[in-house]
Amino acid sequence: DIQMTQSPSTLSASVGDRVTITCRASQSISSWLAWYQQRPGKAPKLLIYQASTLGSGVPSRFSGSGSATEFTLTIRSLQPEDFATYYCQQYKSLWTFGQGTKVEIK
Amino acid sequence: EVQLVESGGGLVKPGGSLRLSCAASGFAFSDYSMNWVRQAPGKGLEWVSSISSRSRYIYYADSVKGRFTISRDNTKNSLYLQLNSLRAEDTAVYYCARHDELGILAFDYWGQGTLVTVSS
Repeated sequence: DIQMTQSPSTLSASVGDRVTITCRASQSISSWLAWYQQRPGKAPKLLIYQASTLGSGVPSRFSGSGSATEFTLTIRSLQPEDFATYYCQQYKSLWTFGQGTKVEIK
Repeated sequence: EVQLVESGGGLVKPGGSLRLSCAASGFAFSDYSMNWVRQAPGKGLEWVSSISSRSRYIYYADSVKGRFTISRDNTKNSLYLQLNSLRAEDTAVYYCARHDELGILAFDYWGQGTLVTVSS
């Protein structure tokens, strides 16, 4: 089974900050990596797929990079609506989510 | 507009059963693989099960294998999850989500979820 590990678990930031979240896979997954945003009480929303491709309607301040076992999600200038929990997911071999990173207001 | 609407959740005793449904609209349901993902209260996301567009390929997480059964009816644009031998640790919001047959787009649309509570 492929394990996904995100860091940090919690991140405190202010509006306008640049934020980076890291996701590591226990083995190479090439670019089979997605990022999701989940606001409290809501369903997850796809942000990025294939490690770096922006999902439909996703603002350009979000970007993804990486390959093989190391990936990052970057939010260029944090907006109030971006305070949420973010999950990475590998889909090379079945599907596995990271444990999540909560972005909270500093 | 793509819509996925789950139903069937509720309170059930340990050892009991429940059947969840997911009604799809706004896209060609029979062209997409479908999934169930769950989230225990205050916890992260856990993939549960997946079924290909024509039901040829079916997969389960180890945590539910032998207890849950995924199925679909393309004539009714509906996805199902039969939950048997339920345990307290199965308490969660259950989401349905779609992915394209090539799997490139990951889970691009999700329903709003239905809550399953397993308690005596």
